[in-house]
Amino acid sequence: GQNIDQPTEMTATEGAIVQINCTYQTSGFNGLFWYQQHAGEAPTFLSYNVLDGLEEKGRFSSFLSRSKGYSYLLLKELQMKDSASYLCALYPSGGYNKLIFGAGTRLAVHP
Amino acid sequence: EAGVAQSPRYKIIEKRQSVAFWCNPISGHATLYWYQQILGQGPKLLIQFQNNGVVDDSQLPKDRFSAERLKGVDSTLKIQPAKLEDSAVYLCASRPRVYEDTIYFGEGSWLTVV
Repeated sequence: GQNIDQPTEMTATEGAIVQINCTYQTSGFNGLFWYQQHAGEAPTFLSYNVLDGLEEKGRFSSFLSRSKGYSYLLLKELQMKDSASYLCALYPSGGYNKLIFGAGTRLAVHP
Repeated sequence: EAGVAQSPRYKIIEKRQSVAFWCNPISGHATLYWYQQILGQGPKLLIQFQNNGVVDDSQLPKDRFSAERLKGVDSTLKIQPAKLEDSAVYLCASRPRVYEDTIYFGEGSWLTVV
């Protein structure tokens, strides 16, 4: 089976940098996603890591270490609109690639 | 490109009643998923279709939930009879091909069982 762990809640200040961690245990692995979900809305895609290393997309970056079962999402120059839940998800290996989600981290950005 | 369409957006029913949700994926997307998201939790996969065939329904409570995807396009998810613990958002998502990276979510159908 798969187990995905994320902190439940985080707070940060507008303009700051925040790192949201995700650890996972799985018997196989085909890639790790980060999704953003605002309250009352559907999840929207942020990033996808298959290989170790850092993927950068504007203010958002995502890092993966497959050997350590660890990923993080880095948000820079925080804005109030970044207040949302951030979901870590992975494709276990084999089969038809169903996406398994963690419980999510609720980020509150304050002035 | 139109996104994943879902209806109804909101539904309130009494326990033991039935409800059905409809999903129309992005045109041409072969894979369709139904997820259940309870407040404060991450989405949980209920069922996955590849074209019109079921490839994973291991977490679908089959005594009360059913889903179909006739003709490999749109899909319906039915709950009968509903329980209080079924109160959740039901998210439909689709993906173009088996090894395509991203899945795309609809806005969800919000169910409250009272």
